[in-house]
Amino acid sequence: GESVGLHLPTLSVQEGDNSIINCAYSNSASDYFIWYKQESGKGPQFIIDIRSNMDKRQGQRVTVLLNKTVKHLSLQIAATQPGDSAVYFCAEKGSNAGGTSYGKLTFGQGTILTVHP
Amino acid sequence: SAVISQKPSRDICQRGTSLTIQCQVDSQVTMMFWYRQQPGQSLTLIATANQGSEATYESGFVIDKFPISRPNLTFSTLTVSNMSPEDSSIYLCSVEVPRGGVMYGYTFGSGTRLTVV
Repeated sequence: GESVGLHLPTLSVQEGDNSIINCAYSNSASDYFIWYKQESGKGPQFIIDIRSNMDKRQGQRVTVLLNKTVKHLSLQIAATQPGDSAVYFCAEKGSNAGGTSYGKLTFGQGTILTVHP
Repeated sequence: SAVISQKPSRDICQRGTSLTIQCQVDSQVTMMFWYRQQPGQSLTLIATANQGSEATYESGFVIDKFPISRPNLTFSTLTVSNMSPEDSSIYLCSVEVPRGGVMYGYTFGSGTRLTVV
């Protein structure tokens, strides 16, 4: 069935380093991808998103790259800070033939990012 | 973006009992979703709740176990019925919100941490 998976379950970095979190997806019909950050005791918090007609999108200190050829998604965090320590999830939304948003998100496993001061 | 309030934030319940979780949104939304996040795992969609129609359940989830109400465009409830320790999870409410053009975002509540003893 459809699935979204991650290559690395944990990632430890030093403060100031750049972090890269990867995600593989299997549904080639997915048209929208989102990265979420989840801190302990909280719900997922939106970080950045990208539509399938793009291959790169930048936000504040974060960049999402989409490679549709190999169905791969990555989140790059520049100058990682201790406050970035959290679990990061990728999520995908399948396209709807009618062109309207259906909203069903499929989440990846999650990567635990630990930033050491 | 929408602000979601979930109640209760946590609860410890006896097996065999039921718990109703409330999700209140500060704006009218068409689509609301309920997710389960088992300990140390990712999010799994339980059902989609649209106002004025019955909830649509995902594979592995049934209405008798997880009845959902959606009485208006700002409120929904999820009941976890006849609980067992295997139901111990975080339950999360999510809504779809327009972000301009054909873009949609998906905002999450802070979740209800349920422990069944």
